[in-house]
Amino acid sequence: KNEVEQSPQNLTAQEGEFITINCSYSVGISALHWLQQHPGGGIVSLFMLSSGKKKHGRLIATINIQEKHSSLHITASHPRDSAVYICAVRLIQGAQKLVFGQGTRLTINP
Amino acid sequence: DAGVTQSPTHLIKTRGQQVTLRCSPKSGHDTVSWYQQALGQGPQFIFQYYEEEERQRGNFPDRFSGHQFPNYSSELNVNALLLGDSALYLCASRPRDRVFEKLFFGSGTQLSVL
Repeated sequence: KNEVEQSPQNLTAQEGEFITINCSYSVGISALHWLQQHPGGGIVSLFMLSSGKKKHGRLIATINIQEKHSSLHITASHPRDSAVYICAVRLIQGAQKLVFGQGTRLTINP
Repeated sequence: DAGVTQSPTHLIKTRGQQVTLRCSPKSGHDTVSWYQQALGQGPQFIFQYYEEEERQRGNFPDRFSGHQFPNYSSELNVNALLLGDSALYLCASRPRDRVFEKLFFGSGTQLSVL
């Protein structure tokens, strides 16, 4: 079993829909990152969380440390939000190492 | 301010060959990590360098080696290439003393092994 699991693996929605991507982990972490990867490979850092909730524009990220679970929400989704969204955790042990989920491929249709 | 830069962007090699990939960290960063991302998968940690030494290593064979130079740039070397080494290789940099911060990635090198 992977240390970091994301769901769903693929998600297709219509423009304007509310999107939720989930990340569960089984290890002790010091922080969790949500990343966005567009075709071509470039990765953009969206959020870093160690507790609670963060919001940036239409993006909201939450984390529940006790349940070892995080969610990324996109409100009023737009075709330009189409990308792969990746959850990555920074381990408490071996603190320099990041462990990544397999990614969620999001497609927003106009 | 240039971000993390990687070269080359694409590379085609044949089995058994050796390859060197390069990474220049973001200005002000001194720690470089390398990741391998197979198609449809999340990145896998290869190793991390700072102060010109390998500090952490993931589950990769000794065919994967690296180097960091005094200017903080880094190289990833892969010897005796296998078909399974075909992947996107990503470099990320960070300032060493700050644990909680944004991640900065290069655009990657797409390696194809034929």
